Amino acid sequence: DAMVIQNPRYQVTQFGKPVTLSCSQTLNHNVMYWYQQKSSQAPKLLFHYYDKDFNNEADTPDNFQSRRPNTSFCFLDIRSPGLGDAAMYLCATSRGGNGETQYFGPGTRLLVL
Amino acid sequence: AQSVTQLGSHVSVSEGALVLLRCNYSSSVPPYLFWYVQYPNQGLQLLLKYTSAATLVKGINGFEAEFKKSETSFHLTKPSAHMSDAAEYFCAVTDYSSASKIIFGSGTRLSIRP
Repeated sequence: DAMVIQNPRYQVTQFGKPVTLSCSQTLNHNVMYWYQQKSSQAPKLLFHYYDKDFNNEADTPDNFQSRRPNTSFCFLDIRSPGLGDAAMYLCATSRGGNGETQYFGPGTRLLVL
Repeated sequence: AQSVTQLGSHVSVSEGALVLLRCNYSSSVPPYLFWYVQYPNQGLQLLLKYTSAATLVKGINGFEAEFKKSETSFHLTKPSAHMSDAAEYFCAVTDYSSASKIIFGSGTRLSIRP
């Protein structure tokens, strides 16, 4: 089945130690998104790629970076995780354009010690 | 600018009872509207989507939603709740400032009483 895959499902890191979360898709979608979701809150968009064009949200901290080496893969890098970065990180994809559905991966839960 | 408001952060119903989750939207142009469901420790799954083809939209798991332009509403309903419906539900609208983005409501947690 075509899908969005996130690895790992759970990630433990230490305060200040860089961490990378990965996302891959078999849908061949143009757009890939990274969301941060904290407990009992809606997902908050961090940034998205439309093909190779990177679109950063204005309030995304500089501590968060992203790479999209090809259509299928997208990475979220957290350069110096703080305790406040502990959250669920969701990757999603879409074809792009008005009204297109976003398809979500299962998420990676990040714990910062 | 577009926005969505979900009334009630937590809704509790008995098993077999009607489920009604409320969503009101604000949009200066005809909207695309979505309902997503999120089970614990999982990603979001599309329940249904309004694209103006029909005002009553049927989705998965027996859910449906009716688009009412006069009320700017897109409420989600299910005639008979099942224990497996316990989850977080998000209403969302296309963000026309960026065609690829959607705006989520704050979510409604649905609990089912035995």
